[in-house]
Amino acid sequence: NAGVTQTPKFRILKIGQSMTLQCTQDMNHNYMYWYRQDPGMGLKLIYYSVGAGITDKGEVPNGYNVSRSTTEDFPLRLELAAPSQTSVYFCASSYRTGLRDTQYFGPGTRLTVL
Amino acid sequence: KQEVTQIPAALSVPEGENLVLNCSFTDSAIYNLQWFRQDPGKGLTSLLLIQSSQREQTSGRLNASLDKSSGRSTLYIAASQPGDSATYLCAVRPDSSYKLIFGSGTRLLVRP
Repeated sequence: NAGVTQTPKFRILKIGQSMTLQCTQDMNHNYMYWYRQDPGMGLKLIYYSVGAGITDKGEVPNGYNVSRSTTEDFPLRLELAAPSQTSVYFCASSYRTGLRDTQYFGPGTRLTVL
Repeated sequence: KQEVTQIPAALSVPEGENLVLNCSFTDSAIYNLQWFRQDPGKGLTSLLLIQSSQREQTSGRLNASLDKSSGRSTLYIAASQPGDSATYLCAVRPDSSYKLIFGSGTRLLVRP
C-alpha cells in the first residue's frame, strides 16, 4: 500500500513557466487536498476535492488550478510561475467515516521559482 | 477568522525529560484538533486526533488534551528520546469545514 505519492520531489522553474504537480492515492479516499508550506510556517490549503469531478478553493488558490477526473488522482497546475510560489507542496487525502477525518500526507514537492 | 498559534517555536531538551507543547486557537467552534509530526524533508504524520467532544487522547508516550472553551491544546511527551526530534504541528478543523487550519509548528530537539 503506497498511500499518497507525489511527483516530482524537486523542481526548479523559471518565472513564467508552467508545470503540473502530480498526486495519487491508492486508499480509495474520496477527499483530497493540496497545501503549501512556506519556510517556518504552517500549511495553507490551496484547493480541495470531495470526490471525482468536484473541486473547491481553499485559502490561497490564486495562481493554481486543479482537476479531479478520477478518485485516485488530483493534479495541481501552476500557470505562469512566480517567485512567490516557491514553497513545499503537500498533497493529502482522507476518507470521512463518521467523526474520524485523519488526513494522510504525501512526502511533498519542493518547488523553487527563479 | 480562525488562527492557530504554537509556542514555543523551538525547544531543546535533554533526553529523558517530560515536555509539553502548546497550541492555541482563536475560535472555539471546532470539529476536531490534530497533532502531526513532520521530519525534515518528509510529509506529515498524524499523531493524535481529538474530537470536539473529547478532552484527551493517548498513544504510547504521547498525550494530547483539548480545552475548547479556552481555545487550548497541549501535547505531552513523556520520557523524551532523540528519535522524538522533529517539528510538531497542531491543526484544527473548523465546524462544517473540510479545511485544516495549521499552526506554524514547534521544532523539538531532544539531546542525547
